[in-house]
Amino acid sequence: AQSVTQLDSQVPVFEEAPVELRCNYSSSVSVYLFWYVQYPNQGLQLLLKYLSGSTLVKGINGFEAEFNKSQTSFHLRKPSVHISDTAEYFCAVRKDTGRRALTFGSGTRLQVQP
Amino acid sequence: GAGVSQSPSNKVTEKGKDVELRCDPISGHTALYWYRQRLGQGLEFLIYFQGNSAPDKSGLPSDRFSAERTGESVSTLTIQRTQQEDSAVYLCASSPGTGFNTEAFFGQGTRLTVV
Repeated sequence: AQSVTQLDSQVPVFEEAPVELRCNYSSSVSVYLFWYVQYPNQGLQLLLKYLSGSTLVKGINGFEAEFNKSQTSFHLRKPSVHISDTAEYFCAVRKDTGRRALTFGSGTRLQVQP
Repeated sequence: GAGVSQSPSNKVTEKGKDVELRCDPISGHTALYWYRQRLGQGLEFLIYFQGNSAPDKSGLPSDRFSAERTGESVSTLTIQRTQQEDSAVYLCASSPGTGFNTEAFFGQGTRLTVV
């Protein structure tokens, strides 16, 4: 079974500083990768996705992620965060065969401080 | 058009009672998913619908949980004889197609509290 690991449960960072949220997955076959953001008391919103092609994917709100097949990673980055980026971030994976449901990591709480 | 809609947004129920949670997917979306999110945890898959059939029910935690879907429209998740460990946010998502590369669009969830 595939799994997704988000090593950091919480990441505190100061406003305007860069941030990286880590995501590793376990799969020996081709995968599709997603990052979702969950603001307080809201549902999940798609930030970006990797389907194929360029390994550097740009998403909304200035976020980007890089797919690294050899390291089975899909880390999320932003060069300068804002207070409004405070939220829970979830990495998710789906293989290109078999189960259609997304498998999610446990989430990383990004806390941006002034 | 409107996004995925879930109702109620909050539900408090007594232990042992049955509850029904409703999901209205985005119009035209053939795939529908239910997830459970316990406090401070990630999303736990429950069930997947393609149309009104459920080819993957592997995440339902017990026979107290069931779900149905009417055509490519509304879905209802039913929890019978609720227990305190059922307390969680239940999230519904829909997707426009059957492809593995399609994203899922999420509703805002139903927060279930069993007292």
